[in-house]
Amino acid sequence: NAGVTQTPKFQVLKTGQSMTLQCAQDMNHEYMSWYRQDPGMGLRLIHYSVGAGITDQGEVPNGYNVSRSTTEDFPLRLLSAAPSQTSVYFCASTGRGGRRHYNEQFFGPGTRLTVL
Amino acid sequence: GDSVTQMEGPVTLSEEAFLTINCTYTATGYPSLFWYVQYPGEGLQLLLKATKADDKGSNKGFEATYRKETTSFHLEKGSVQVSDSAVYFCALSPNAGNNRKLIWGLGTSLAVNP
Repeated sequence: NAGVTQTPKFQVLKTGQSMTLQCAQDMNHEYMSWYRQDPGMGLRLIHYSVGAGITDQGEVPNGYNVSRSTTEDFPLRLLSAAPSQTSVYFCASTGRGGRRHYNEQFFGPGTRLTVL
Repeated sequence: GDSVTQMEGPVTLSEEAFLTINCTYTATGYPSLFWYVQYPGEGLQLLLKATKADDKGSNKGFEATYRKETTSFHLEKGSVQVSDSAVYFCALSPNAGNNRKLIWGLGTSLAVNP
């Protein structure tokens, strides 16, 4: 298993440009999520999905869109990039657990985005 | 609501020193507790977990005990190595229904000097 993969690893954008960060997992996990990580802010949840066709907002959804057309893929779209979106973005997935499933999240390696 | 509080870093230690990183939580019910580690330039990975009170999670020489009476899950290691330099995150899962979200602490940076 490749686990959770993310592309690209690095990206530089100009203000106003749009782009899609790709995320894929091969573990047949239902739950997927996108975080951003900023110094001193920890991990902040952007969007998440509990299964194909279902998405919902996290703490900081503004300026981002997601879709979940398949179980494997969960792309994150920046509609019009702003310098405030300079960050490291992590995708994570969580499988179905047992009665006391412990919700272990598996993370991708991250995408380092700079918006000029 | 549910929350996790970690001690602020950075923490700087010499090799073979004893490590404690404090983590306390606020939650209703019986959450599961986790420590994740992030090595430089990488994503987060699960270090250890505990799913019920008095459970001790352990991995790679690290340990943490789920203390419901003090709502704590402190991370400890008896003798740190340079390779342990990383950022450590405490997290909880509310375990409420189908809630898969994790509640995260802000992370504690550890630097171990030779």
